Amino acid sequence: SQQGEEDPQALSIQEGENATMNCSYKTSINNLQWYRQNSGRGLVHLILIRSNEREKHSGRLRVTLDTSKKSSSLLITASRAADTASYFCATDIMNRDDKIIFGKGTRLHILP
Amino acid sequence: EPEVTQTPSHQVTQMGQEVILRCVPISNHLYFYWYRQILGQKVEFLVSFYNNEISEKSEIFDDQFSVERPDGSNFTLKIRSTKLEDSAMYFCASSVAGDRAGGYGYTFGSGTRLTVV
Repeated sequence: SQQGEEDPQALSIQEGENATMNCSYKTSINNLQWYRQNSGRGLVHLILIRSNEREKHSGRLRVTLDTSKKSSSLLITASRAADTASYFCATDIMNRDDKIIFGKGTRLHILP
Repeated sequence: EPEVTQTPSHQVTQMGQEVILRCVPISNHLYFYWYRQILGQKVEFLVSFYNNEISEKSEIFDDQFSVERPDGSNFTLKIRSTKLEDSAMYFCASSVAGDRAGGYGYTFGSGTRLTVV
């Protein structure tokens, strides 16, 4: 079973619309992080939410965390063409040291 | 903004050869990581490194792999006797405090694309 699975696997929306991506995980975590990856490029850290937090904002990004459901969502408001990328959640598993585990990602495509 | 620098950006090597991938983490970071991403697949953890020793490694990180911090700035991943299936993007990352301190995001480099032929 996967620790950190995003859905949908792919999402296409019109520019200006909001994009919502979800992440589910299986074991308890210290924190959950979201990263963006442009095609063939490196991973960019977007936002980290700790297990005792429920919601966090950063610019046009809004992340929620529901530890009872073991799920998180990333909302990008007023999407732009430059938001086209793959988005990954990564979990820092409780009682496991020194690594974060990535999901398979959601490929987001913003249509002009 | 501080960056993690990886060199080279692309390396092509013959099967069976040894390669060394280089990384310069952010200067005040204490925790270092290697991840890899086979084309079209998920990002996989290889190894974490702290206080000049490996703190955790995955099952992928077998005897073929080794890491070293030869001086105060570089962090290297060596792959001995490369195989075709080692072809992937390799990412270095660093973190100021790792996971024990309650969690800080990782800063990733742009990656080295390794192609084994």
